[in-house]
Amino acid sequence: DTGVSQDPRHKITKRGQNVTFRCDPISEHNRLYWYRQTLGQGPEFLTYFQNEAQLEKSRLLSDRFSAERPKGSFSTLEIQRTEQGDSAMYLCASSSRDYPYEQYFGPGTRLTVT
Amino acid sequence: DAKTTQPPSMDCAEGRAANLPCNHSTISGNEYVYWYRQIHSQGPQYIIHGLKNNETNEMASLIITEDRKSSTLILPHATLRDTAVYYCIVRESLTGGGNKLTFGTGTQLKVEL
Repeated sequence: DTGVSQDPRHKITKRGQNVTFRCDPISEHNRLYWYRQTLGQGPEFLTYFQNEAQLEKSRLLSDRFSAERPKGSFSTLEIQRTEQGDSAMYLCASSSRDYPYEQYFGPGTRLTVT
Repeated sequence: DAKTTQPPSMDCAEGRAANLPCNHSTISGNEYVYWYRQIHSQGPQYIIHGLKNNETNEMASLIITEDRKSSTLILPHATLRDTAVYYCIVRESLTGGGNKLTFGTGTQLKVEL
């Protein structure tokens, strides 16, 4: 297994457009996380899945954001009606349910909204 | 969330030990301290974690004070490839057993020749 993968790596979109990102976790990991990172800041937690169930959402996740993990494997993060403030790196991480619960991060999708 | 405080930047000569401090004075008794690092344009990478005792692995050592209000990450022989932002995090448990990492702004470590 080559780790967590994310697609695309870069996305440029115009304000108002919808975008969707994909995350493929490490295959045996049942926990999946999305984070957002803006320039000069550390990543911020957005949401968490255990298998296909979305168990936690940050207040940062406005109603324009939706995340799914339909079969408990890959996950998608969709942003509707993008705004310039959505420009950021979107990071996905996965972990097993076993201690020490280490989260393995993907390389991220860099979104630029023009 | 238990907050952490780290210096914004540190320099270290290659081959020397890098000691990165972190304050987490509001940590509670069952909360773990995790360290991650992020090399430019990559996702964060797990380094080490601990609860009370000092810990060591192939990457680093973690020294936690007896009162648990602060810790120090030690890279024993820093190399240029250790140049990165280092994050000290107090792990927060989520519903269903997940874990939220609250990163802060970290310490930019620059390793120089």
